[in-house]
Amino acid sequence: EPEVTQTPSHQVTQMGQEVILRCVPISNHLYFYWYRQILGQKVEFLVSFYNNEISEKSEIFDDQFSVERPDGSNFTLKIRSTKLEDSAMYFCARQARVNYGYTFGSGTRLTVV
Amino acid sequence: RKEVEQDPGPFNVPEGATVAFNCTYSNSASQSFFWYRQDCRKEPKLLMSVYSSGNEDGRFTAQLNRASQYISLLIRDSKLSDSATYLCAVNYGNKLVFGAGTILRVKS
Repeated sequence: EPEVTQTPSHQVTQMGQEVILRCVPISNHLYFYWYRQILGQKVEFLVSFYNNEISEKSEIFDDQFSVERPDGSNFTLKIRSTKLEDSAMYFCARQARVNYGYTFGSGTRLTVV
Repeated sequence: RKEVEQDPGPFNVPEGATVAFNCTYSNSASQSFFWYRQDCRKEPKLLMSVYSSGNEDGRFTAQLNRASQYISLLIRDSKLSDSATYLCAVNYGNKLVFGAGTILRVKS
């Protein structure tokens, strides 16, 4: 059973549309993260989420982005008005404890057209 | 200086070879260091943590040099299945920052 499940695996959306990416991590972990990877580029930090609050966010994570853990299980990343440059792989990650490595989900490939 | 820097490669090596990758980081306060493996269009997978004393897991050895602020990964007896991109990751505060990765291609 995968430790972190992401849905959908691939989403195509029109520019300007809202998308919601979903992640289901193991519920007893406290630390969650969203990263993205534009094709051919490095894995970039977007936001960290601890104890149901944002603990840190990057410059990429502007007002178009939001995260929620609406039901204590699912962990969502919303992009309100997608741009072409939002096309990337989006990875959710969880961390069991401080100083432990992260476990990543299999990712959602977002294509904005 | 970039937060985390790696030689992009590619490193093209024959099966059975020993290959080493280095990764430098700029934050002297970093405490956690990791090597990840990423296959094409897949998620990064944790390969091993890197401890101050150095650590080994089968054919893989990781080392940390705090004074020079770099970590290394040594792969012995390379297999075809080791072909992948190897990412180093270093904590900056409460997040991991990844290097751009080093491509390894093992050929028969």
